[in-house]
This record gives sequence, C-alpha cells and structure tokens, in this order.
Amino acid sequence: DAGVIQSPRHEVTEMGQEVTLRCKPISGHDYLFWYRQTMMRGLELLIYFNNNVPIDDSGMPEDRFSAKMPNASFSTLKIQPSEPRDSAVYFCASSAGLKETQYFGPGTRLLVL
Amino acid sequence: GDSVTQMEGPVTLSEEAFLTINCTYTATGYPSLFWYVQYPGEGLQLLLKATKADDKGSNKGFEATYRKETTSFHLEKGSVQVSDSAVYFCALHSGAGSYQLTFGKGTKLSVIP
Repeated sequence: DAGVIQSPRHEVTEMGQEVTLRCKPISGHDYLFWYRQTMMRGLELLIYFNNNVPIDDSGMPEDRFSAKMPNASFSTLKIQPSEPRDSAVYFCASSAGLKETQYFGPGTRLLVL
Repeated sequence: GDSVTQMEGPVTLSEEAFLTINCTYTATGYPSLFWYVQYPGEGLQLLLKATKADDKGSNKGFEATYRKETTSFHLEKGSVQVSDSAVYFCALHSGAGSYQLTFGKGTKLSVIP
C-alpha cells in the first residue's frame, strides 16, 4: 500500500488567501484524522471522520477552518482566509478502526506570509 | 483531561550509547500507550505500543513497559545508531469514549558517530 498521501508537501501563501490541503487515506481505513503540529503547541487533533462523516471538530481553531470528506478516498482541509498564525505542519492520518493504529501521511508544511 | 509529559530535549548521544526517554501520563480509564517516531521531513510512524499494564512493546531494538503504578511508559534502547536520530513522541489513547490520540511535545534525539 502507498500509505497516506498528502498534497501539497509545501505551501507558501500570503495572508488572506485560501489554502486547501488534500489527503488520501489508506484504502479500507474508515477513520481519518487531521492534525496540526507547531513548535508552541505540539500535535493537536483538529477533526476526525468515521465513514466520511465528521465526528468531532472541537479542535478546529475557528470558522476559518473547514474540512470535508466527500468519499472514502479523499479529504480536504481548507483555510479561508489564511493568517500567519496558521503556519504549521498539517498531518492527515487514517486507521482501520476505532482503537487501531493511526498511520500518518508525510504532512503539508504551510507558511502564511 | 488526558495528558502526556515527556522529557524535554534535545538529547545528544554518541553511537552505541544507552537511550532513555521518559514519559509519564494522566488519563481516565485504562489507556493504550504508544511511541511514535518522526524522521526529518517525514510524518509520524508508530514505533511500538502497549495496551495494558505490564505489557512491553518492542520494535527495532526499542522497548517500553507500561507501568500503571508509576503511570509511565519510558522508551529505552541499549545501543543507539546514527539512523535513530529523530523526534520521538509518547502518546496515549484513553479509550474512555475518546477517539483521539493525546501526544507529548516530542523529544529530539541526535546520535553522533
């Protein structure tokens, strides 16, 4: 299996622009997670899905952030408008069950100028 | 709430030295415990895990024992290699109705020849 795939790997944008991050989970996994990693706050869970349905979005920072999972093989995390404080590495992870191992993608390094 | 505390890094060791990275936790219920490793420029990979008290997780020469009495899950390796240079994250999954992993801040390990 190719593992979790994320794109782009790097994104540089200007404040106020829309940013869309993409994730393809491992085939057959029914849970998908979005995390954000910063030096100050470490790894934080933003939102997770089960069978394409958002289950808990309490970690989403604010209304500027939104996530969708239109089908079992694709999810997006959108930031609109972006701000410099959104600069971070965003990871997507998937798992084959509620308490099973989460497999992480390589991450998207976002820099908002 | 759940929390994980790791020893702060960075940790610098010579090749073949003994490694210990301390990890303690607070959690409700009976958590599962994990060590993830993040190599430069990559996502997190599961290194080992333990799901109940006194279990020992092991992989690639690394070991950690789930100690309920001391709420600890210290990572050890008898002889580190340069290729072990990475950031190591301790994490827990409380299983008490929560589906998210709670991560420590990470400990950066550098192994010099």
